[in-house]
Amino acid sequence: SQTIHQWPATLVQPVGSPLSLECTVEGTSNPNLYWYRQAAGRGLQLLFYSVGIGQISSEVPQNLSASRPQDRQFILSSKKLLLSDSGFYLCAWSVGLGEKLFFGSGTQLSVL
Amino acid sequence: QKEVEQNSGPLSVPEGAIASLNCTYSDRGSQSFFWYRQYSGKSPELIMSIYSNGDKEDGRFTAQLNKASQYVSLLIRDSQPSDSATYLCAVNQNTDKLIFGTGTRLQVFP
Repeated sequence: SQTIHQWPATLVQPVGSPLSLECTVEGTSNPNLYWYRQAAGRGLQLLFYSVGIGQISSEVPQNLSASRPQDRQFILSSKKLLLSDSGFYLCAWSVGLGEKLFFGSGTQLSVL
Repeated sequence: QKEVEQNSGPLSVPEGAIASLNCTYSDRGSQSFFWYRQYSGKSPELIMSIYSNGDKEDGRFTAQLNKASQYVSLLIRDSQPSDSATYLCAVNQNTDKLIFGTGTRLQVFP
């Protein structure tokens, strides 16, 4: 069966510090991978998605970036965090684009 | 107009009652529809998917789709306190990504 791992679970970072969140999927090949952010009391905002190694589509212009160095690995990064980057970050995968998503356990990021 | 709309709630129902959650969407070309349950501080969990008009039942859950009226609903029978969560509606509007509603918070009281 397929599983998705996301870490860390919680993170407290100062403004201006870098960020690296990692997500890996097991039990499937060539998954579509996604990064979402959920601000407190708000809906899910799609940040990036990837259909293959090195292929990244950005949905929202901001100081975040994503990379997919391996088939089942998806990384979310920032060089300098802003207060507005605080939120619940979710990695997800799907078999087909626009198909049902399966989410990782999420990372609660607080930027202080 | 929001692409996927849900009443934020909270929707409060007594234990054992039927909870009815509704979602409307703007794009008539939408093909796939999903319901997710999200407990506070946790990630969303897929509970139902529906692709064609009508009802789809899975245990205590029934998803209903009406493409002509552009709404999808989720019924939860015999509601339990453990069903208390936020329910997210997601729609594939014939693109390569899902659009999520902001969710309806359900409270089931004993």
